[in-house]
Amino acid sequence: DTEVTQTPKHLVMGMTNKKSLKCEQHMGHRAMYWYKQKAKKPPELMFVYSYEKLSINESVPSRFSPECPNSSLLNLHLHALQPEDSALYLCASSQGEGWDQPQHFGDGTRLSIL
Amino acid sequence: DQQVKQNSPSLSVQEGRISILNCDYTNSMFDYFLWYKKYPAEGPTFLISISSIKDKNEDGRFTVFLNKSAKHLSLHIVPSQPGDSAVYFCAAKEGGSQGNLIFGKGTKLSVKP
Repeated sequence: DTEVTQTPKHLVMGMTNKKSLKCEQHMGHRAMYWYKQKAKKPPELMFVYSYEKLSINESVPSRFSPECPNSSLLNLHLHALQPEDSALYLCASSQGEGWDQPQHFGDGTRLSIL
Repeated sequence: DQQVKQNSPSLSVQEGRISILNCDYTNSMFDYFLWYKKYPAEGPTFLISISSIKDKNEDGRFTVFLNKSAKHLSLHIVPSQPGDSAVYFCAAKEGGSQGNLIFGKGTKLSVKP
């Protein structure tokens, strides 16, 4: 069982819809991450939050908007997505951003854009 | 340009034998390395890590070896079990970097009974 919980597990949306992906962890971790994984590719980092502040945005288009309401929750708001945004979106957390902190992943949300 | 390479897309091993998964990297600034296991429809599960100040780290059946001069690391699983069948990702991180893990493309391990 993963200690990082992501909802929903699957999401199908049209290009004009607005939806949100949610991630929750109760391990007391202070760093949280969003990754995107396309089929047969490795995960690629999108955003990093450290102590509830955005510390890294890997040049992600503005149609993806992250939010960290508190230390346990991380959201990813989606608006006007494109078909190429269809992918598995993974959330991860770690104790901190320190160099020797392993990241623990949720099971992901599989997103399909029609 | 791939900074972390797993050149074997797949590996098949008999139950009870050793599984050796390999990973090469090109960025000499990487100083922390991790292995993750991924089952279908699940997220990656952290297995074991090693920092660049070590050349070996062991946790139960899993051992990671790091050869800095060759920019090479490997994961040994002994003895291999059918439940180990999964995709294994190697990942690396630069010293001082704020969380950016760079992943390899993964190796699919099949352990046959």
